[in-house]
This record gives sequence, C-alpha cells and structure tokens, in this order.
Amino acid sequence: AQTVTQSQPEMSVQEAETVTLSCTYDTSESNYYLFWYKQPPSRQMILVIRQEAYKQQNATENRFSVNFQKAAKSFSLKISDSQLGDTAMYFCASVIIQGAQKLVFGQGTRLTINP
Amino acid sequence: DGGITQSPKYLFRKEGQNVTLSCEQNLNHDAMYWYRQDPGQGLRLIYYSQIVNDFQKGDIAEGYSVSREKKESFPLTVTSAQKNPTAFYLCASSDGRAWQPQHFGDGTRLSIL
Repeated sequence: AQTVTQSQPEMSVQEAETVTLSCTYDTSESNYYLFWYKQPPSRQMILVIRQEAYKQQNATENRFSVNFQKAAKSFSLKISDSQLGDTAMYFCASVIIQGAQKLVFGQGTRLTINP
Repeated sequence: DGGITQSPKYLFRKEGQNVTLSCEQNLNHDAMYWYRQDPGQGLRLIYYSQIVNDFQKGDIAEGYSVSREKKESFPLTVTSAQKNPTAFYLCASSDGRAWQPQHFGDGTRLSIL
C-alpha cells in the first residue's frame, strides 16, 4: 500500500525567504510519480510540480524545485523568493503506474508567507 | 475555457436525506474522481471512474454512491447511511495516465442541518 506523510502541519516565513516543505512516502513499486499540489484559500487544488521516479534529476518550475531522494523515499519542495501569493495548503501526493493508478495524498502543510 | 464545474458550492443536508453533488467536465477526460477533505487531513478518495459506465470504490466509499452514464458527468450521492457527511468534497478529472496531473473543481461544502 502507498502512504504519504507530511510531518509539518504548519510553517511560516517572511516574504522573499526560502522555505522547504518535507514529504516522505512509502511504496514497494519502482515506477511511480510524485506531485506537489497547492490549495490556496479559494480551495481550488493547483498542480505545483511533478517528478518521475525514474528520473534522477530534480524537477524545477520557476521558483519551485524539489529534492528527490529515492533511496530515502523523500520528496521535499523548496520555494525560493517566497511571495504572499504562495500562502496556501501544500499537499504531497504519489501515484503508482500499475493497477488503479490512484493518487494518494499526504495530510498537508499550511504555509503562511508574512509581509 | 475547459474545466471542471462543481455545484452547488454549499449544500445542507437534513437527517435521513440523500443529497447529490454535481460534477461536470469539458476537458474530454476519461477518468474522474471524488475526494473528501476534512480539516487537518489530506484528500481521501471516495470513488473513481476510469471510463464511462464503470467505477470503483476508493478508500472511504461507505455511505456514498456514484454513476457515470456520460463521459463529462460524475455525480456523487451522499446517502443517509453516511453518518458524518460534513466535509469539503472535491471532484477531479484526468486523461487517465498516471503521469498526467488531475484537474480539480472548486469544491462543494456539505453541512448538516
């Protein structure tokens, strides 16, 4: 069974700082994908970044990057030059390629960017 | 613009009543999903459908039912058997491939009267 764990319920940083959100996962499969989703106060879920497990290179999308450590089953999200609009709940999620391909979410981290 | 429309935004249920949450997509996606979100918890999968006229139970299907008669529609019924229905419900769709992200609607908040 897949599990995803986010150990930081809340985080708070000042605008323009860099912040890292932690995520660990557990799966016995070798082919899977990992995602970070953002849920702002409007409650709509928005994809931030995704990582293919078979790629060693860490994914990057503008100010967002990941630190993917496959052996440690760790998938942290780094937000550089944080902005007020980054304030949101952030969810880590995984999906395995075989079978039902169900997306499994972590509990979420509430990130607040302070002016 | 293509997207997912959930309605209503807010819904109230009386004791013993069934209520239906609507989810429509115009993204031509094969797969659709229903999630429940409770405070302090991540999203939990209720039901999913990978193709028209077929659907499977997720992790918390008890007290819920769905249908998938059309590709663009995946309504969720919260039955009276669901004893704790107060939650935020999110519908999502994807083209069914694991590496493609799911697209989400704006959600429906269900409360008990």
